[in-house]
Amino acid sequence: EAGVTQSPTHLIKTRGQQATLRCSPISGHTSVYWYQQALGLGLQFLLWYDEGEERNRGNFPPRFSGRQFPNYSSELNVNALELEDSALYLCASSSGLVVPPGDTQYFGPGTRLTVL
Amino acid sequence: ILNVEQSPQSLHVQEGDSTNFTCSFPSSNFYALHWYRWETAKSPEALFVMTLNGDEKKKGRISATLNTKEGYSYLYIKGSQPEDSATYLCAGHGSSNTGKLIFGQGTTLQVKP
Repeated sequence: EAGVTQSPTHLIKTRGQQATLRCSPISGHTSVYWYQQALGLGLQFLLWYDEGEERNRGNFPPRFSGRQFPNYSSELNVNALELEDSALYLCASSSGLVVPPGDTQYFGPGTRLTVL
Repeated sequence: ILNVEQSPQSLHVQEGDSTNFTCSFPSSNFYALHWYRWETAKSPEALFVMTLNGDEKKKGRISATLNTKEGYSYLYIKGSQPEDSATYLCAGHGSSNTGKLIFGQGTTLQVKP
């Protein structure tokens, strides 16, 4: 069974540009989560999508947005990039069959975003 | 607010040693605890999800226990091997239905052959 996949692996942008990161969940999973790991910090929750709807977002500015498509894949958009947006962005998926606290989130390998 | 802390920050052991790490969280604000293993340049690997006080989970040489009343979980590795070298993360859910995992900073384990 294929795991969570993310693209691209690396992305280099300049300040003010927009970045689009993509995630394909494990087949059959309906929930997708996005996390950010900035340099020296732990994983920070960004967004949760389930069944095409945004269910929750973390403490990030509105420049961070995303969506989930009918096939449950997702994209994360970061507008007006700032230097501090440079980070590893991880996507995770879960089955949605178990209530969230007990629902295992399976992670992809991440996209490394560098803002110059 | 759920705050998850892990100790130690890093650990160096010899092959064959057994070791353990701690994850602590506020006992008054707990719904579930997750453990992950994260090797460099790979995806974080889900190890365990624990929800009940007294839960014990095992996967090969790795096991974990949960004490929700005092707010901690232990991860044990028996007979460490070089391939166990990784960062071990714990994460908690602070409410029932946000989908949000709150991660600790991790414990980085280095096993020397």
